[in-house]
Amino acid sequence: AQKITQTQPGMFVQEKEAVTLDCTYDTSDQSYGLFWYKQPSSGEMIFLIYQGSYDEQNATEGRYSLNFQKARKSANLVISASQLGDSAMYFCAMREAETSYDKVIFGPGTSLSVIP
Amino acid sequence: KAGVTQTPRYLIKTRGQQVTLSCSPISGHRSVSWYQQTPGQGLQFLFEYFSETQRNKGNFPGRFSGRQFSNSRSEMNVSTLELGDSALYLCASSPVVGNEKLFFGSGTQLSVL
Repeated sequence: AQKITQTQPGMFVQEKEAVTLDCTYDTSDQSYGLFWYKQPSSGEMIFLIYQGSYDEQNATEGRYSLNFQKARKSANLVISASQLGDSAMYFCAMREAETSYDKVIFGPGTSLSVIP
Repeated sequence: KAGVTQTPRYLIKTRGQQVTLSCSPISGHRSVSWYQQTPGQGLQFLFEYFSETQRNKGNFPGRFSGRQFSNSRSEMNVSTLELGDSALYLCASSPVVGNEKLFFGSGTQLSVL
């Protein structure tokens, strides 16, 4: 069963606008972590933001914030003030702390294109 | 501080051959994990090593193997290559197991002809 769902295969956003990338997850663990990674065309996976399941506050890292809704099992990424360099693939990922070690499960990704 | 280094960057092999990919983690990182990325299957976990021990393994055939050395460098080996093994192979390191953040290398793009 798909554990990480990203329903938006492709997204477009105007430069300087905000954009929300959706992510829903499925786990029976109480302790888990949620990540967002960016993958530009160069191929390298770049860490953006992390949210622990017990964190009460939504995570923020500069222009990135994570809208964590635990009851809905969603962890949407919000990018504010989009820049041309934000054009890339974005992956939502989850680590289940109780059932695996460093195994991180990735979603299928969302391709974001920023339009000038 | 140098990032995760993967070599080679590109590799072309033919069916039936074997291949070895290398990953040097960030200095001080002891956990190394490997992922296969294809357009059809996305990112799939291969295995994870910590202190020279394989701690976790994904759902891949036995043709895929790996190891970690005492300096935390890791290699993965794929024997009897198949066309479907063509993929970007990504290595990630973290200081300890279960760390919040994985640091990825740029990957090795393997093409099997």
